[in-house]
Amino acid sequence: GESVGLHLPTLSVQEGDNSIINCAYSNSASDYFIWYKQESGKGPQFIIDIRSNMDKRQGQRVTVLLNKTVKHLSLQIAATQPGDSAVYFCAENTYSGGGADGLTFGKGTHLIIQP
Amino acid sequence: DSGVTQTPKHLITATGQRVTLRCSPRSGDLSVYWYQQSLDQGLQFLIQYYNGEERAKGNILERFSAQQFPDLHSELNLSSLELGDSALYFCASSVRAGLAPDTQYFGPGTRLTVL
Repeated sequence: GESVGLHLPTLSVQEGDNSIINCAYSNSASDYFIWYKQESGKGPQFIIDIRSNMDKRQGQRVTVLLNKTVKHLSLQIAATQPGDSAVYFCAENTYSGGGADGLTFGKGTHLIIQP
Repeated sequence: DSGVTQTPKHLITATGQRVTLRCSPRSGDLSVYWYQQSLDQGLQFLIQYYNGEERAKGNILERFSAQQFPDLHSELNLSSLELGDSALYFCASSVRAGLAPDTQYFGPGTRLTVL
């Protein structure tokens, strides 16, 4: 099965509300997690990352939370704007042990912003 | 704009043919990664090159191969194409070899259609 997956395929939120996108991972050895945003017809765009020695990291309007106990990752977007409409992917990698094999992506959540 | 460039943007070809996709990494990045995105498989890591050498392999078919040239640009060669190879192919680049958490920046992708 998927090493990294998302709970919901589609999330609809009102403009101005906060959005929370969730992700579960199964590889307990994963030590680096990233959120990407992909707009239609474009490549994945880096949003924010977090290492396994942290449980929270904040960026501009975005916060990533990591709960290693339950192997859960979330992305919070504050004051959601129309430009936030996109598919959001979580991805993970494992660097301990001498190297990485490329990112493992979840299936993605489509965030829809209602006016 | 991530700074990663990919050509061509679109490619339409027939089954059994061979195509070459090209990627130029961000200035200063030594690693290039190739990913395939399809509706049924999602985003999957294919292969990574670092400074001209193959660094890691993912779910890459034997019909596919890649290389990284001295100027650090990379090419992904797809041969004996099948209908199921129709997908978006993304290139990403990062500074280092992947031995430590290192942000991967994605290009705009090449959409391959096999008829």
